[in-house]
Amino acid sequence: GAVVSQHPSWVICKSGTSVKIECRSLDFQATTMFWYRQFPKQSLMLMATSNEGSKATYEQGVEKDKFLINHASLTLSTLTVTSAHPEDSSFYICSADNPGTSGGASNEQFFGPGTRLTVL
Amino acid sequence: GQSLEQPSEVTAVEGAIVQINCTYQTSGFYGLSWYQQHDGGAPTFLSYNGLDGLEETGRFSSFLSRSDSYGYLLLQELQMKDSASYFCAGGWGSASKIIFGSGTRLSIRP
Repeated sequence: GAVVSQHPSWVICKSGTSVKIECRSLDFQATTMFWYRQFPKQSLMLMATSNEGSKATYEQGVEKDKFLINHASLTLSTLTVTSAHPEDSSFYICSADNPGTSGGASNEQFFGPGTRLTVL
Repeated sequence: GQSLEQPSEVTAVEGAIVQINCTYQTSGFYGLSWYQQHDGGAPTFLSYNGLDGLEETGRFSSFLSRSDSYGYLLLQELQMKDSASYFCAGGWGSASKIIFGSGTRLSIRP
């Protein structure tokens, strides 16, 4: 299968600080990764598409200056929550597809374990 | 816009069969996936329908009807471990970007 890891698994920070979350594809190369946010008992909301070597594509309503995405290599994408506030507290999950296993036909996404962010 | 609607909660009995429905908006839609998520965990892929009809994978089956903008996930021989949230997810535009449905929380009683 395809394994995606995230680090850290949880983080607590003070309001106004910035937090960086890493998403890695461990056994495959991912030219595209996706970042989601999930509030308790709600669905996953797609925040942005991270493209290796180019700018991320943000969904409508997501502040690109607030949520900085960098995809500098084929196995690593980072999400930085800048000047975090309590309302940014959420579960952040990344995903990637692996054409090598799904062949692009099943549209299967492989998800990282998620990062729980709590902003005090 | 792009949206997928599901019932918020479904309750079923262990050993029974349950169907979770999903309706969606159609512009540019190209396929429907289903994911399972246990509390605090990551979503895991269950099934995908790129064409109309039924796809069967063990105890889980998924169905798609493009003409009706509708799909469902069928879970058979329910087990307690199937208690989780289930999401349909649609693909629009790009080959890999997906949008998740509102989610259905499945509770199973002994």
